[in-house]
Amino acid sequence: GAVVSQHPSRVICKSGTSVKIECRSLDFQATTMFWYRQFPKQSLMLMATSNEGSKATYEQGVEKDKFLINHASLTLSTLTVTSAHPEDSSFYICSAAQGYEQYFGPGTRLTVT
Amino acid sequence: QKEVEQDPGPLSVPEGAIVSLNCTYSNSAFQYFMWYRQYSRKGPELLMYTYSSGNKEDGRFTAQVDKSSKYISLFIRDSQPSDSATYLCAMSANSGGSNYKLTFGKGTLLTVNP
Repeated sequence: GAVVSQHPSRVICKSGTSVKIECRSLDFQATTMFWYRQFPKQSLMLMATSNEGSKATYEQGVEKDKFLINHASLTLSTLTVTSAHPEDSSFYICSAAQGYEQYFGPGTRLTVT
Repeated sequence: QKEVEQDPGPLSVPEGAIVSLNCTYSNSAFQYFMWYRQYSRKGPELLMYTYSSGNKEDGRFTAQVDKSSKYISLFIRDSQPSDSATYLCAMSANSGGSNYKLTFGKGTLLTVNP
């Protein structure tokens, strides 16, 4: 149980375009989902907390207009990187909370050229 | 001082060795403690979680929490090459509702040599 999927697993886009990443909890309902960013050989950096049906809460320094988060249902949250630039290239990982346990998706590798 | 400190390693051990991974923390509000395993280019996988001081065992893994010392450990017995990964400790304070934000350590890179 407690499976979280992410799609796509890898995406390459041109600078200036927008990219949407989906995060789904497959076998449980998650009122809270989290979005993280991870640079090579670094730990996870929390970007935002997403609650179903309400606006996401962003961490300090994360641009809410650049990283749009939508949590439309108890099993789906999306992260849209708008007007992506090469510095946005990173590994993006979501997690879904079941109580105080967080289950992570497999991650999405974004490369902006 | 960071909220969670974890030695990044790398740590290299022979197959069959007992591995000890540790984290210290400074925030007394942390109540929930987790260990995640992350293989290269994959998402973290929850290995163990606990919310009380003491030991919790699951197969070859034992999680230990000492709240008085603000110190947590993960022990791996009879380590296998497949255990080679980055191990992340994570902790959470009860911030109310269902928003259990996690604070992660930097992760320790473990290599188990056959």
